[in-house]
Amino acid sequence: DGGITQSPKYLFRKEGQNVTLSCEQNLNHDAMYWYRQDPGQGLRLIYYSQIVNDFQKGDIAEGYSVSREKKESFPLTVTSAQKNPTAFYLCASSRWGQGLQETQYFGPGTRLLVL
Amino acid sequence: GQQVMQIPQYQHVQEGEDFTTYCNSSTTLSNIQWYKQRPGGHPVFLIQLVKSGEVKKQKRLTFQFGEAKKNSSLHITATQTTDVGTYFCAVSGGSNYKLTFGKGTLLTVNP
Repeated sequence: DGGITQSPKYLFRKEGQNVTLSCEQNLNHDAMYWYRQDPGQGLRLIYYSQIVNDFQKGDIAEGYSVSREKKESFPLTVTSAQKNPTAFYLCASSRWGQGLQETQYFGPGTRLLVL
Repeated sequence: GQQVMQIPQYQHVQEGEDFTTYCNSSTTLSNIQWYKQRPGGHPVFLIQLVKSGEVKKQKRLTFQFGEAKKNSSLHITATQTTDVGTYFCAVSGGSNYKLTFGKGTLLTVNP
């Protein structure tokens, strides 16, 4: 059964703590993405990766870091430098487009709350 | 990068009424995608429009791409409670794998 999994579903962060959100896909997609969703703000791109060992900053990368050591995995670390991390985090993946915008497939998301 | 304005932000309808959401850009778009996110869920791809003036239908949903490729609409005929959710348009951010999403239209349906 192909798809994207994210864990945990809920995550609590204390002040000054780094936390890592997991994202795994078995769709054999080259590209992976992390979005942040706040109420009324739509989806904002944090980081994306086109290929293993390469990633690019999105529109709101400050306070976040990523790695892409394997094609299937794209973990996101929310660092203590991110002052307002409470949000719904969505991971997505897609094929590498060859002229047309590719469809993005989303995971179920992780809700991060600051204690 | 590309920017899109989506209106309205919210729409509440009685079951059976029609619903339309619009997505507008100041620049010509190469293509546009539409996604639906149920409450508490994640976005799910609905459709992609590529050609000028294109119209596509999925049961009660009708998607249109403007002649100038600067706007798009999603129309739902005779809404049902299962249509509840937020509808997003998304446009290419300058590459084949980077999307810019509109802020979405939240649809609620009163049974």
